[in-house]
Amino acid sequence: NAGVTQTPKFQVLKTGQSMTLQCAQDMNHNSMYWYRQDPGMGLRLIYYSASEGTTDKGEVPNGYNVSRLNKREFSLRLESAAPSQTSVYFCASSPAGGPYEQYFGPGTRLTVT
Amino acid sequence: ILNVEQSPQSLHVQEGDSTNFTCSFPSSNFYALHWYRWETAKSPEALFVMTLNGDEKKKGRISATLNTKEGYSYLYIKGSQPEDSATYLCAFLTGAGSYQLTFGKGTKLSVIP
Repeated sequence: NAGVTQTPKFQVLKTGQSMTLQCAQDMNHNSMYWYRQDPGMGLRLIYYSASEGTTDKGEVPNGYNVSRLNKREFSLRLESAAPSQTSVYFCASSPAGGPYEQYFGPGTRLTVT
Repeated sequence: ILNVEQSPQSLHVQEGDSTNFTCSFPSSNFYALHWYRWETAKSPEALFVMTLNGDEKKKGRISATLNTKEGYSYLYIKGSQPEDSATYLCAFLTGAGSYQLTFGKGTKLSVIP
């Protein structure tokens, strides 16, 4: 039981390049989330998927797109990376929204030069 | 944008000391309050999810209380151990059926052996 897995662990991009961060969970959870963590800031929600087939914007969605590929997988795409997107990205999942705890992946450290 | 404040920002205690931190959140439209423990180089792990005013949760030496009317939660650690060193995050959820957690910036606890 791997929980929540993310790939890659580290990535360096040049400004304007694109990439997709992958996330998968094996806990049969309905809901999945993408967060970013920046120094001096709390975790901020980028996008979430309440259930398979749905996605919604969080607090900081600009510059990102997401795909809920199936119940297990939720990907985050940067179409044209900018230095402001340098961050640590965490994927999380939960059985549903509301009072359910979220389970976090190990994170992807992204640097955009 | 909801404001979730945590204090203190950081804390150094001696092994064996008991300590507590505060999480303040908006008292209106409360739905749930999450506490997470985040060790360096790992990902956040859930400690508690609290939903009812007056709720108290306990896990080993760690406990939490909730006051939704005045908008605060306390996290207590009894007899701190070096392995308790971590950043403790709280996150607020507003509105039933919501998926958008708003995180505080955390309290970083260092336990000195």
